[in-house]
Amino acid sequence: KQEVTQIPAALSVPEGENLVLNCSFTDSAIYNLQWFRQDPGKGLTSLLLIQSSQREQTSGRLNASLDKSSGRSTLYIAASQPGDSATYLCAVRGNQGGKLIFGQGTELSVKP
Amino acid sequence: DTGVSQDPRHKITKRGQNVTFRCDPISEHNRLYWYRQTLGQGPEFLTYFQNEAQLEKSRLLSDRFSAERPKGSFSTLEIQRTEQGDSAMYLCASGGQEQPQHFGDGTRLSIL
Repeated sequence: KQEVTQIPAALSVPEGENLVLNCSFTDSAIYNLQWFRQDPGKGLTSLLLIQSSQREQTSGRLNASLDKSSGRSTLYIAASQPGDSATYLCAVRGNQGGKLIFGQGTELSVKP
Repeated sequence: DTGVSQDPRHKITKRGQNVTFRCDPISEHNRLYWYRQTLGQGPEFLTYFQNEAQLEKSRLLSDRFSAERPKGSFSTLEIQRTEQGDSAMYLCASGGQEQPQHFGDGTRLSIL
């Protein structure tokens, strides 16, 4: 059974710092991995999608990497801003078009 | 394309009542997913549809829960005889086979 773990559960950093959020999964047979952002009381906003054949994806200040063999992904946020404060969730998909299995999320707070 | 729409945003009801939620997916997406999220946790998969066919149901989806997507467009999720443990955010997402899943803002259910 696939399990997804995110460490740390919460993180507080001063504005301008670069930071890394970690995601690990127990079954390396994934189809793709998706990183989301969730603001309080809101739904999920998709940030990056990495296919199983890819090593990384970049969007603006965000870079996500995937090491399928070791069951790990990282989300790197450069030059953090207070507006980046949110909960970040990673999720893996085991097959094409199928369900997502989520980690518990990392709650990020960026202090001005 | 206005994104995934969910209605209502909030629902407060007494234990034992029935409730129904609606999800309108992005129009060109043929897959529609339902998830449930409790405070401090990542979303958990409930069920998903490809067009009008319900392809997978989680064991979380007890016989008090039923989901439909009668014409392959919008979907409804009904909970009968609600219990305290049903209090959660119910999230809907849509996507295609190769596409990332896009989420609505959810319906927050509170059971009194």
